[in-house]
Amino acid sequence: DTAVSQTPKYLVTQMGNDKSIKCEQNLGHDTMYWYKQDSKKFLKIMFSYNNKELIINETVPNRFSPKSPDKAHLNLHINSLELGDSAVYFCASSRNRGQVTDTQYFGPGTRLTVL
Amino acid sequence: AQTVTQSQPEMSVQEAETVTLSCTYDTSESDYYLFWYKQPPSRQMILVIRQEAYKQQNATENRFSVNFQKAAKSFSLKISDSQLGDAAMYFCAYRSGVEYGNKLVFGAGTILRVKS
Repeated sequence: DTAVSQTPKYLVTQMGNDKSIKCEQNLGHDTMYWYKQDSKKFLKIMFSYNNKELIINETVPNRFSPKSPDKAHLNLHINSLELGDSAVYFCASSRNRGQVTDTQYFGPGTRLTVL
Repeated sequence: AQTVTQSQPEMSVQEAETVTLSCTYDTSESDYYLFWYKQPPSRQMILVIRQEAYKQQNATENRFSVNFQKAAKSFSLKISDSQLGDAAMYFCAYRSGVEYGNKLVFGAGTILRVKS
């Protein structure tokens, strides 16, 4: 009964490869997010989708492409992986009603290591 | 653009004592929300407490409370009766209204160590 799940939890790959991280939420939320946490633990928004529509794109390289097949899923595809992409990627979801209770619930994170 | 500053990279507290983590933010908005998240070594992000900017009353959740000073743009977290399980990285976060996409802007985090 995990609320926000991500797969895989760990991903080790070579530079230049293409990889995907999947995210699913069973909370019935309208909005989903991707955040990146770098090696210094700094967390930054990458993308946000509301009902499958992209609403935030924070100057992320276009090698990163989010895809939302339905409002319960938001996958992150990364092309031509670079060393600097190594980080922990968090998926989150929330309602979107402009209320304080629109709390974002986070997945467990995916640690991506690019060799 | 909104910014969040946590000026304490690390803090230590003795078990059962009280500790306060600082957070300041910068915004020109009048309506927004503030949060504290906890990230233990398991790396799971856990909501600790939340505050609506238009509410004067400070939020409280069991041993956790905030001191929200809107004019000073300050949002500190007080942990009372600290427990070993409180040891974690704590992030202060700011959220704009829904018209800005609900994105969270995080501070750099404060590592809290609890001594037994």
